[in-house]
Amino acid sequence: AQKITQTQPGMFVQEKEAVTLDCTYDTSDQSYGLFWYKQPSSGEMIFLIYQGSYDEQNATEGRYSLNFQKARKSANLVISASQLGDSAMYFCAMSPRRGNEKLTFGTGTRLTIIP
Amino acid sequence: DAGVIQSPRHEVTEMGQEVTLRCKPISGHDYLFWYRQTMMRGLELLIYFNNNVPIDDSGMPEDRFSAKMPNASFSTLKIQPSEPRDSAVYFCASSNPTGANTEAFFGQGTRLTVV
Repeated sequence: AQKITQTQPGMFVQEKEAVTLDCTYDTSDQSYGLFWYKQPSSGEMIFLIYQGSYDEQNATEGRYSLNFQKARKSANLVISASQLGDSAMYFCAMSPRRGNEKLTFGTGTRLTIIP
Repeated sequence: DAGVIQSPRHEVTEMGQEVTLRCKPISGHDYLFWYRQTMMRGLELLIYFNNNVPIDDSGMPEDRFSAKMPNASFSTLKIQPSEPRDSAVYFCASSNPTGANTEAFFGQGTRLTVV
C-alpha cells in the first residue's frame, strides 16, 4: 500500500518569498511516480509537477521545483517568488509505476500568500 | 481539447433518489478514474478503468455505488439509493500512458448534496 503524509495543514507566506511544502511517502514499490496538484478555491485540480522514482534530476516546471530525496522518501514542492495567485490547497500524490494508475493523495496543505 | 468534461456541475437530491454523474474523458486517454473528495476523508479513489474495463473498484464504498464505461468517450457513476453521507465532490480524471507526461487530468468535479 502507498501512503502520503503532508504535515503542514496551513502555511502563510509573504508575497515574493519562496515556500516549501513538505511531503513524505511510503511504498514498497521500486518504481513509482510522485505528483503535486493545486486546488484553488474554485475547486478544480491543477497538475503542477511530476517526478519519477528513477529520475535522477529533480523536476522543475517554471516557478515550481520538486526536491526529491529518495533515501528520505520525501518529495517537497518548492515555489519560488510566490504570487497572490498561488493561494490554494496543495496536494502531494503518488502512484505505482510511472503514474498511469491510481493516485494516493495526502491530506493537503492550505497555502495563503500575504500581500 | 476541451479537457475532461463532467456533468452536472452541481446536483442536489433527496435521500433515496438515484443520482447519475457523467464524465467525458480527454480523447485518446486510456485510463479513467473516479475520485471522491470530502472534508473527512480527503481525496480517495473510487474506481478506475483501462480501455473501458474496470481494473480496481476496491474504493467503491458499497453496493449502492456503480460505475460503467460503455465506450472510450463516456463513463457514469451511479448512486442508488443516495444517502446524505454521499454528499461530496466527485471528480473524474483521465490519463494517457503512452504520452510524454503521465499526469491525470481532472474534470471540474460534480458537487453532490444529498438532503
